[in-house]
Amino acid sequence: DVQLVQSGTEVKKPGESLTISCKGSGYSFTNYWIGWVRQMPGKGLEWMGIIYPGDSDTRYSPSFQGQVTISADKSISTAYVQWSSLKASDTAMYYCARRAISTPYFEYWGQGTLVTVSS
Amino acid sequence: EIVMTQSPATLSVSPGERATLSCRASQSISSNLAWYQQKFGQAPRLLIYGASTRATGIPVRFSGSGSGTEFTLTISSLQSEDFAVYYCQQYSSWPPYTFGQGTKVEIK
Repeated sequence: DVQLVQSGTEVKKPGESLTISCKGSGYSFTNYWIGWVRQMPGKGLEWMGIIYPGDSDTRYSPSFQGQVTISADKSISTAYVQWSSLKASDTAMYYCARRAISTPYFEYWGQGTLVTVSS
Repeated sequence: EIVMTQSPATLSVSPGERATLSCRASQSISSNLAWYQQKFGQAPRLLIYGASTRATGIPVRFSGSGSGTEFTLTISSLQSEDFAVYYCQQYSSWPPYTFGQGTKVEIK
């Protein structure tokens, strides 16, 4: 079975750095795009960006370009989102999701990682 | 960036009744539309792709229609487990593949 398992809840202070992860299993990790979606408290879904682990081709939403870095380590079937300096407005649930192989909707989703940024 | 607009924001429906949710794209997206269901405290789940194709394991009471800029998700007879928030997403033009703001289906 396809599974995406995300890292656990994070509580950070403004200005700190953070990396959260998403480990894929049950499929060929290098052959499917993995995307990240933000959900701020009580709000809707926002498409952040996506990476193809096979060659690390990465695309960002203009809203998130320069704000986060998406990466992947295909040797351990894991994708990441990194922040260099967190803001309170980064407080949200973050989901990873695997794209379908030939069309860009998200077939499978991780369980989510809650990030809280507060002084 | 393509803007997706869902209506209504909240839909109050009695169990067993039909629910009709709308999604409009700011420009034509052909049939490049997906619908997701998100229950409270859970990750979203894919319901429909290609505007009208049910994902694996999705009950037949869920159906999608539309093309171009106007789309509809219909739940033919609401079950208790269907009360949730529903999102549409376009995947015609990226980045980003934008989501609508969601429609909450609540018990009347």
